[in-house]
Amino acid sequence: QVQLQESGPGLVKPSGTLSLTCAVSGGSISSNNWWTWVRQPPGKGLEWIGEIYHSGTTNYNPSLKSRVTISVDKSKNLFSLTLTSVTAADTAVYYCARPQGGARFDPWGRGTLVTVSS
Amino acid sequence: QSVLTQPPSASGTPGQRVTISCSGSSSNIGSYTLNWYQQFPGTAPKLLIYSTNQRPSGVPDRFSGSKSGTSASLAISGLQSEDEADYYCAAWDDSLNGPVFGGGTKLTVL
Repeated sequence: QVQLQESGPGLVKPSGTLSLTCAVSGGSISSNNWWTWVRQPPGKGLEWIGEIYHSGTTNYNPSLKSRVTISVDKSKNLFSLTLTSVTAADTAVYYCARPQGGARFDPWGRGTLVTVSS
Repeated sequence: QSVLTQPPSASGTPGQRVTISCSGSSSNIGSYTLNWYQQFPGTAPKLLIYSTNQRPSGVPDRFSGSKSGTSASLAISGLQSEDEADYYCAAWDDSLNGPVFGGGTKLTVL
């Protein structure tokens, strides 16, 4: 079955750029699916960041839209998240997941903690 | 401030039936099906209920979901110690044009 794995730097400096990738295994990223990013600040709830279709069509949370880019690399079977001008408020565990319609996400990656600090 | 409203905590004793509520509006719960996630400390959320009342393969039938108007509930019957976790509701939202989550409910098994 499909499995997802996030990777990227665990520490980013304030005003810098957060970059993460999500490797898809057990299936093709070009299958009829959207792919999504969700984050969770320490001790807090879940926040949807955005999603991408394998064609490259994207849909972002308006609260983050000016700073977020999600892209897909079909040759490597992965999709990526870039978040610019980060602050301490962007410190969170970042998850990638596969939407299966609406707010149904399954599976999820294990998540990766990104800390914004100098 | 989450778009969907959940009680921050809930509790019950083993064997008891516990319900967790999730309140929203016409742009989310009132228009779309509800999903529930279970999350243990340090792990990723796991899909527990989808399409309001459907269980993925492997989820015990002790877990059930329902919806009425702009509110929904997760019920756990025959409560077990391993059910102690955080629970999140989620639904698509027309205003956001994306999914929204509840703030989460921490379930304690006494």
